Amino acid sequence: LAKTTQPISMDSYEGQEVNITCSHNNIATNDYITWYQQFPSQGPRFIIQGYKTKVTNEVASLFIPADRKSSTLSLPRVSLSDTAVYYCLVGPWVIGGYQKVTFGTGTKLQVIP
Amino acid sequence: AAGVIQSPRHLIKEKRETATLKCYPIPRHDTVYWYQQGPGQDPQFLISFYEKMQSDKGSIPDRFSAQQFSDYHSELNMSSLELGDSALYFCASNYVVAGPSTDTQYFGPGTRLTVL
Repeated sequence: LAKTTQPISMDSYEGQEVNITCSHNNIATNDYITWYQQFPSQGPRFIIQGYKTKVTNEVASLFIPADRKSSTLSLPRVSLSDTAVYYCLVGPWVIGGYQKVTFGTGTKLQVIP
Repeated sequence: AAGVIQSPRHLIKEKRETATLKCYPIPRHDTVYWYQQGPGQDPQFLISFYEKMQSDKGSIPDRFSAQQFSDYHSELNMSSLELGDSALYFCASNYVVAGPSTDTQYFGPGTRLTVL
């Protein structure tokens, strides 16, 4: 599984856009990039997933450059409720089997009023 | 929508006791994963089951064992509990189809185990 590197923590004011970048230099051809959000004492929650270019859903956008060695999670206009730990995970497609999700050290986002 | 159910939500045990944590995956999900998250730490993968067979093993102590039953629920059995076993234990599930799939897992609310 590809190793990921993210900033340990970030602060942002309410209403701002937050970009969290994850490095994954040894990403493999069949690896997807997935981001999870975790609030204190709760289970991680899927946010977004992508393979290349840009993916957008109702919660966030994910930007992946052509070389796929990094990815950026973009949260538009954050609110206090977005204060959480954000994990970037890189893992392969699975065909007819299982997969192991390896959590690295996530980014603790603190949104300030 | 139905979510992953874990029971109990909180558990307090003494050292050297045993504990059993239960996980009920989302209906039709065939794969279950167990994670341990210590205070201030990131989740660590313990073990997973696909179609009732152990599919992968992570940093699970020999004192722990787990299984997945015919109804796809899973139980994590922990014996000779130590103080260091105090943690949040998460179960996750997904449905691994016979085709390209990705690692989106649905996590339960967790069981908080406290060993005194």
